[in-house]
Amino acid sequence: SSELTQDPAVSVALGQTVRITCQGDSLRSYYASWYQQKPGQAPVLVIYGKNNRPSGIPDRFSGSSSGNTASLTITGAQAEDEADYYCNSRDSSGNSVVFGGGTKLTVL
Amino acid sequence: QVQLVQSGAEVKKPGASVKVSCKASGYTFTGYYMHWVRQAPGQGLEWMGWINPNSGGTNYAQKFQGRVTMTRDTSISTAYMELSRLRSDDTAVYYCARDRSHGSGSYQIDYWGQGTLVTVSS
Repeated sequence: SSELTQDPAVSVALGQTVRITCQGDSLRSYYASWYQQKPGQAPVLVIYGKNNRPSGIPDRFSGSSSGNTASLTITGAQAEDEADYYCNSRDSSGNSVVFGGGTKLTVL
Repeated sequence: QVQLVQSGAEVKKPGASVKVSCKASGYTFTGYYMHWVRQAPGQGLEWMGWINPNSGGTNYAQKFQGRVTMTRDTSISTAYMELSRLRSDDTAVYYCARDRSHGSGSYQIDYWGQGTLVTVSS
């Protein structure tokens, strides 16, 4: 079982805003990172740290955190954003990496 | 540009071992920890551990302790992950993935290899 909990599936209408959440005790101490994975492809980092986007990631992706919950927000979702999204962080001991179970985002 | 190129798909019998390679380019190999992550068919991501290419030091997930060995060859900027005593539930895509921070592990991953499918079947 994962120490980070995500909703298995979320849907959003094209052009609307969606928030994907990740819950876990370790998030009180460590920032989450967020990864986008499309079928048959390797994950891609979209958000890390407090709210940082790697080069090439659209600014419609943003991150936030409060208490034991980290969130990935997509403002104005596009069809190409349909993918699985995973959060990760250190575990509560700080010595290991944990991933959330993933959220399948459907853009309607 | 950073690239991580992994070795090709493998088919192994239960009880055997597999060794996956990951050749890095586009950055200083010894400057960044390398993580290994696997993904079973239709499942999520599972962290296996990391290696510090500079020192050779490792940190393995408890689940894989005793079965996994991570090594590196700095002369060819390549990291390796060997998993022994394979079982059918080890069938997965195995990824190498670079830590984002230079010099010390942040446990955040920025670049990923393309993945290596390991199939365990009798």
